[in-house]
Amino acid sequence: DAKTTQPTSMDCAEGRAANLPCNHSTISGNEYVYWYRQIHSQGPQYIIHGLKNNETNEMASLIITEDRKSSTLILPHATLRDTAVYYCIVRVALETSGSRLTFGEGTQLTVNP
Amino acid sequence: GAGVSQSPRYKVTKRGQDVALRCDPISGHVSLYWYRQALGQGPEFLTYFNYEAQQDKSGLPNDRFSAERPEGSISTLTIQRTEQRDSAMYRCASSSLLAGPRYNEQFFGPGTRLTVL
Repeated sequence: DAKTTQPTSMDCAEGRAANLPCNHSTISGNEYVYWYRQIHSQGPQYIIHGLKNNETNEMASLIITEDRKSSTLILPHATLRDTAVYYCIVRVALETSGSRLTFGEGTQLTVNP
Repeated sequence: GAGVSQSPRYKVTKRGQDVALRCDPISGHVSLYWYRQALGQGPEFLTYFNYEAQQDKSGLPNDRFSAERPEGSISTLTIQRTEQRDSAMYRCASSSLLAGPRYNEQFFGPGTRLTVL
């Protein structure tokens, strides 16, 4: 799996958009970008994933650059409950289930009131 | 529906003892994963199963660690002759075979906090 680089920590004001960057310059053509987050001591939670097109779901938006070497996770209106460690993960998404997740250090996002 | 469950939630043991950690995945999920997480770090992959077959055990740190999933549902991670360095949160996750926009999504359990004294 390609290595990812994320800032160690970020702050965001409640109600504002949180933009979390991730660099994955060695990504391969068949690798997807996944984002998970981990709130305090809970298990990681899936947020979104994409290959090359921008993606949006009920939780967030994912913007992937044209060369696919970096991406940004956007939480459009951050709330205090979005305070968590956010992990950017690159891996092959197989047609059949089963593939490890390789977590890095992640970004600690703190949403301030 | 019920999520991934793990038991026990907390386990304190003495060095040299064996421990067995249990994971009950989401019903019908084909794949089951084990991760270990040290304080302040991201989860570290240990092993995973598709049905009852162990597909990848490259993350198991040494031969004191083993895992099984004999009937393709519940899994047990066993650590023999525990050492203090084995202390960590052990997390289990499962995922479905179903195709769709969120296939390969892994659902994590609450974890078992293992403390080796």
